[in-house]
Amino acid sequence: GIQVEQSPPDLILQEGANSTLRCNFSDSVNNLQWFHQNPWGQLINLFYIPSGTKQNGRLSATTVATERYSLLYISSSQTTDSGVYFCAGNYGGSQGNLIFGKGTKLSVKP
Amino acid sequence: DGGITQSPKYLFRKEGQNVTLSCEQNLNHDAMYWYRQDPGQGLRLIYYSQIVNDFQKGDIAEGYSVSREKKESFPLTVTSAQKNPTAFYLCASSLLAEAFFGQGTRLTVV
Repeated sequence: GIQVEQSPPDLILQEGANSTLRCNFSDSVNNLQWFHQNPWGQLINLFYIPSGTKQNGRLSATTVATERYSLLYISSSQTTDSGVYFCAGNYGGSQGNLIFGKGTKLSVKP
Repeated sequence: DGGITQSPKYLFRKEGQNVTLSCEQNLNHDAMYWYRQDPGQGLRLIYYSQIVNDFQKGDIAEGYSVSREKKESFPLTVTSAQKNPTAFYLCASSLLAEAFFGQGTRLTVV
């Protein structure tokens, strides 16, 4: 089946540093999303980005669907950015039936 | 406020008991989903429903049951047949392709 691989699995940053998280998928996926899971477990929508580039403040994301990857950029990281970042996509005609990667656990140190 | 409400936030179950997790949304979304998350893992799909009175099994449906009698509600029952139910359960809904999540229910077998 479709596989979604995220890298790196763990990332430790000093506050103010920049980082790039990567999501590779094994087959064509649709409707790629990035989420941030906060320490209480809630999944916060960051980007819905099936293709192209989007920016929201210090975060931006790029999806190159033809090459089966997506990148999440975090600039000037803050301690509140800590948590787990997931990418997920669906395939075929299934709406919202998301296949998740295992996540990147980000720790930002003050 | 519009959103997805899951209850309870924490749930303890004795061996052999069935328990039901609630998920309600007031976003007027057609599709709803249940995911399970185990520690250090991504989310896996249990069941999903794209319209009222219809639902499909996801990747790990064994030991679970659902109903979709109203558009707003998609309760999940964890039955005694589920051998390892301790996990974090997340409900989601989507109108088109972008999914949004509730705050989750943490289920523990005691």
